[in-house]
Amino acid sequence: AQKVTQAQTEISVVEKEDVTLDCVYETRDTTYYLFWYKQPPSGELVFLIRRNSFDEQNEISGRYSWNFQKSTSSFNFTITASQVVDSAVYFCALSESPQGGSEKLVFGKGTKLTVNP
Amino acid sequence: DGGITQSPKYLFRKEGQNVTLSCEQNLNHDAMYWYRQDPGQGLRLIYYSQIVNDFQKGDIAEGYSVSREKKESFPLTVTSAQKNPTAFYLCASSPWTGRQYFGPGTRLTVL
Repeated sequence: AQKVTQAQTEISVVEKEDVTLDCVYETRDTTYYLFWYKQPPSGELVFLIRRNSFDEQNEISGRYSWNFQKSTSSFNFTITASQVVDSAVYFCALSESPQGGSEKLVFGKGTKLTVNP
Repeated sequence: DGGITQSPKYLFRKEGQNVTLSCEQNLNHDAMYWYRQDPGQGLRLIYYSQIVNDFQKGDIAEGYSVSREKKESFPLTVTSAQKNPTAFYLCASSPWTGRQYFGPGTRLTVL
């Protein structure tokens, strides 16, 4: 069975600090997708990234970066120079490679990030 | 604008009553999904549908029912058989191959 573990329940940092959110996953599939979503207090899920299991290159998008390490089954997310607006719950998720049609997502329990001014 | 609409944002019901949550999308997506989120928890899949008139149970389907009579609509009924219905419910949709897009959610409180 697929499983996603986000061991950090809550993290609190001061603005401008860098912060890394950990994500460890389990799957028997050789092809799968990994995701990160942001959930601000409003509740809506904001898509951040989708990564194919065959693409192990790290990715950077502005202040966000992702480190995918297949050898340790981890897909960690780093926010550089954090800002108050980054305060939210962040979810890591895993899905099997879709054959077409639906894509079932398995979510971690989330990490609540609080960035203090 | 294209997107997913869930209404209402907040919903209150008395215990023992069935309640239907609305989900509409105008993205022309084939697949639609319902998730439940409890405080401090991740999202769990209730039901999903790949095409019209077809749907499958997710991990926590007991006490819920759905229908998919139109491509744009995937309503979720929370029945009286659901033991702990108070939660945040999120609807999503996706194209045949592609990521899921989420709606704004409905917060259901059963009194």
